[in-house]
Amino acid sequence: QVQLQESGPGLVKPSQTLSLTCTVSGGSISSGNYYWSWIRQPAGKGLEWIGRIYSSGSTNYNPSLKSRVTISVDTSNNQFSLNLNSVTAADTAVYYCGRAAYFYDSGGFNPLAIDIWGQGTKVTVSS
Amino acid sequence: DIVLTQSPDSLAVSLGERATINCKSSETVLYSSNNKNYLAWYQQKPGQPPKLLIYWASARESGVPDRFSGSGSGTDFTLTISSLQAEDVAVYYCQQYYKTPYTFGQGTKLEIK
Repeated sequence: QVQLQESGPGLVKPSQTLSLTCTVSGGSISSGNYYWSWIRQPAGKGLEWIGRIYSSGSTNYNPSLKSRVTISVDTSNNQFSLNLNSVTAADTAVYYCGRAAYFYDSGGFNPLAIDIWGQGTKVTVSS
Repeated sequence: DIVLTQSPDSLAVSLGERATINCKSSETVLYSSNNKNYLAWYQQKPGQPPKLLIYWASARESGVPDRFSGSGSGTDFTLTISSLQAEDVAVYYCQQYYKTPYTFGQGTKLEIK
């Protein structure tokens, strides 16, 4: 059974870089047709999709964050990571990683919904 | 970006009664070539990550009780809980995965009346 676990600093200073890692256990990040996502949720608010990465390293980012976000994958350690630079208080949130499948048919690429989520890690941006 | 608007923002339903949550999309999430709606429903309880309930608008995720059902197509969708149980108290979100950036509705808080 695949499980995801986020890790990283709980406190980041303004203007610095937020760095989180999601460790995948119970399965290989490289096997199967999956994409790996980051999602965040400010306290008491809704969910925001940050972006995703495939095991090939191909990425898609939310344009609202694109200039500040990098998602990378480390297949040897079965992890993928999030870097968000130039953070402000508005980046304070619980950050989740997630897994979703995809497949190809005659119509092309078909993503599925995120079916496995990490427990989330709270990140506060404050001096 | 595709905007998903849920209604109502909050809902109080008696135990055993039906609960209905709506999700309206600013554009279609129906892919005509395969006739699938790229819309999911999630349940989130306090301190927990979201849990996938429904995908393709109406397909129930494995292990999800059959009192949860999804319907709709194109731009208008509904999540129905046929007989509310105490453990269903949560915030419910719809999400489109038709086009990046994938987006979520603002959430609907479901409580017991």
